[in-house]
Amino acid sequence: AQKITQTQPGMFVQEKEAVTLDCTYDTSDPSYGLFWYKQPSSGEMIFLIYQGSYDQQNATEGRYSLNFQKARKSANLVISASQLGDSAMYFCAMREGLEGYQKVTFGIGTKLQVIP
Amino acid sequence: NAGVTQTPKFQVLKTGQSMTLQCAQDMNHNSMYWYRQDPGMGLRLIYYSASEGTTDKGEVPNGYNVSRLNKREFSLRLESAAPSQTSVYFCASSERAQSEGYGYTFGSGTRLTVV
Repeated sequence: AQKITQTQPGMFVQEKEAVTLDCTYDTSDPSYGLFWYKQPSSGEMIFLIYQGSYDQQNATEGRYSLNFQKARKSANLVISASQLGDSAMYFCAMREGLEGYQKVTFGIGTKLQVIP
Repeated sequence: NAGVTQTPKFQVLKTGQSMTLQCAQDMNHNSMYWYRQDPGMGLRLIYYSASEGTTDKGEVPNGYNVSRLNKREFSLRLESAAPSQTSVYFCASSERAQSEGYGYTFGSGTRLTVV
């Protein structure tokens, strides 16, 4: 089974609207973490937000929030008030393990395009 | 600016040639990683170094070698390049305590083409 599944190859959103990018994960490790990264067309990878498996509240970072539903094994990224600069590839990633090496697995990404 | 510096940014190699991708970070991070990014496949881990003096294989290590020269530098070597190694390569670093939510800091990437 895929460790990280991103089922939306591409998404469109109107400027100033909110958008949800889906991510489901699969792990038997009780301690894990979920990350979202942004990759603009310039190519760099930018860390956006993190959610730990034991965190009680959903993570938020400015306009980014992570809708963490542990029972459903989903960790969707919500971007509020979309801006043209949000157009990019978005990758969901999962960290497994607590001590020693912590393996991180990336999904295949979702391409978001913000329409003026 | 503090961060991860990768060189070169672009490279074209002929099949069978060798080269070394250089990576250096100035954030005093313990862990460093090499990933490759291919269309439709996300990022895949080639090698990692959990701390200075240690290196381990990741998901796709065949055809590559690495050296953790010191805490700052982590290089990736292709001994005999093959067209299947055409990809974008990213170096990244992180604090050891990923459980505390520190994401990776990535370099700007190296676009490698093997002809």
